Amino acid sequence: SAVISQKPSRDICQRGTSLTIQCQVDSQVTMMFWYRQQPGQSLTLIATANQGSEATYESGFVIDKFPISRPNLTFSTLTVSNMSPEDSSIYLCSVAPSGTTQETQYFGPGTRLLVL
Amino acid sequence: AQSVTQPDIHITVSEGASLELRCNYSYGATPYLFWYVQSPGQGLQLLLKYFSGDTLVQGIKGFEAEFKRSQSSFNLRKPSVHWSDAAEYFCALLGGGYNKLIFGAGTRLAVHP
Repeated sequence: SAVISQKPSRDICQRGTSLTIQCQVDSQVTMMFWYRQQPGQSLTLIATANQGSEATYESGFVIDKFPISRPNLTFSTLTVSNMSPEDSSIYLCSVAPSGTTQETQYFGPGTRLLVL
Repeated sequence: AQSVTQPDIHITVSEGASLELRCNYSYGATPYLFWYVQSPGQGLQLLLKYFSGDTLVQGIKGFEAEFKRSQSSFNLRKPSVHWSDAAEYFCALLGGGYNKLIFGAGTRLAVHP
């Protein structure tokens, strides 16, 4: 598995502002993912972030709203832009370690975001 | 269409009782299946996974799950539940070109002393 950390762990933000969430892994991984978990809901994939290429977004998510950076094999950021109360969610990053277990994703602790 | 259904939103069991959480999937081929657990205020922890081979898979914390192709099911079981097992449990399959986890709605487990 991999040890994954996220910053911040939680935040309260005003509508119209932006928040950048960081995801750090203790080993090099090819594939990193960002998920959203709205209150009382399940997880939905926002985008796949691979180093050296632009992120691939799922239907319903756009780069202008959720820009993603992946500068190296151990780090990624997700920005939630121009926030509204509907963006209040838990945002989780996950990684698929390289090798034979590439299909298995391990999750960070999540960032709990409340937008007022 | 690829989907995961967890029919039970909430389940309450007594400590020491057995547990079975249901999961049904829809997928066009042999799926890769997972169970994750999310404790309050925590991220997701992988309990177990099924890729192929033996249809009964063992996981951490005394959990096991059985893959039944004929029933499109991957139910999670534990013979004796502990109070610390109270959490939300998510079943998921790997779809969308093998890089997208598709999650069920989750089952919230409460454990009575």
